[in-house]
Amino acid sequence: DQQVKQNSPSLSVQEGRISILNCDYTNSMFDYFLWYKKYPAEGPTFLISISSIKDKNEDGRFTVFLNKSAKHLSLHIVPSQPGDSAVYFCAAILVEKLTFGTGTRLTIIP
Amino acid sequence: GAVVSQHPSRVICKSGTSVKIECRSLDFQATTMFWYRQFPKQSLMLMATSNEGSKATYEQGVEKDKFLINHASLTLSTLTVTSAHPEDSSFYICSARAGPMNTEAFFGQGTRLTVV
Repeated sequence: DQQVKQNSPSLSVQEGRISILNCDYTNSMFDYFLWYKKYPAEGPTFLISISSIKDKNEDGRFTVFLNKSAKHLSLHIVPSQPGDSAVYFCAAILVEKLTFGTGTRLTIIP
Repeated sequence: GAVVSQHPSRVICKSGTSVKIECRSLDFQATTMFWYRQFPKQSLMLMATSNEGSKATYEQGVEKDKFLINHASLTLSTLTVTSAHPEDSSFYICSARAGPMNTEAFFGQGTRLTVV
C-alpha cells in the first residue's frame, strides 16, 4: 500500500520557468513532510520540510505547499535552473518512520 | 546543515562474503539512524531503524540475520550484509535525525554494493 504517491514519474520544464512537483498521501496521521533531491548514485539531499500545522514554507527558490484537506503537497521551484535536474522525492513522517514517494524525475531544458 | 558520512561509497565483493557499511553523524549525536535500500528504478525502502544501545527494528520482509545492524554509539551505526549474494547488489543509504522527532533527517552519500 503506497501511502505517499508521486503520480508524475517525469516532468520537463524550461529554464527560468516554475517547476511544480506534486505529492499525495493517504495517511492523515502524517505530521511532517519533506522534499529530497537525488542525483544518480548519490544519497538524497534534503531540500525543504513543512510541519502539518502549516500550509506553506519558503526557502529561497523552493516553496512547499501543504493542503491537508486534500492530503496533497507540492514543491515549487522558481526560477528553475539546469542544476535542478534530478529526481525529487517527497517523504512523510509518522513517529520516526519516513515514508517516501516513488519520485519524479525533473529535467530542466536550457 | 548536519553531516552524515557513509563509507564506503562503492564496494565489490564475492558471493558468500560479508560487507560492512558504516554510517557516522559527524557533528551531532544521533540516537536514531535509519537504513534504506534502493532497488533499480524504485523509491528508497526503509530496511530498519537503528537505536543506540538497543536492537534494531526491522521492517517486514527484511532478514535480520542477513542484514546485521549495530548502533554502538551516538555517532556510528553499521550495516553488515552477511553471506552476500548477487541479489543483494543495491544502493544502501543511511540517515540520522539530529533533533527530536519530526525534524529533518540527514542522509549519507550512499553505498553502491555489487556482489559478483
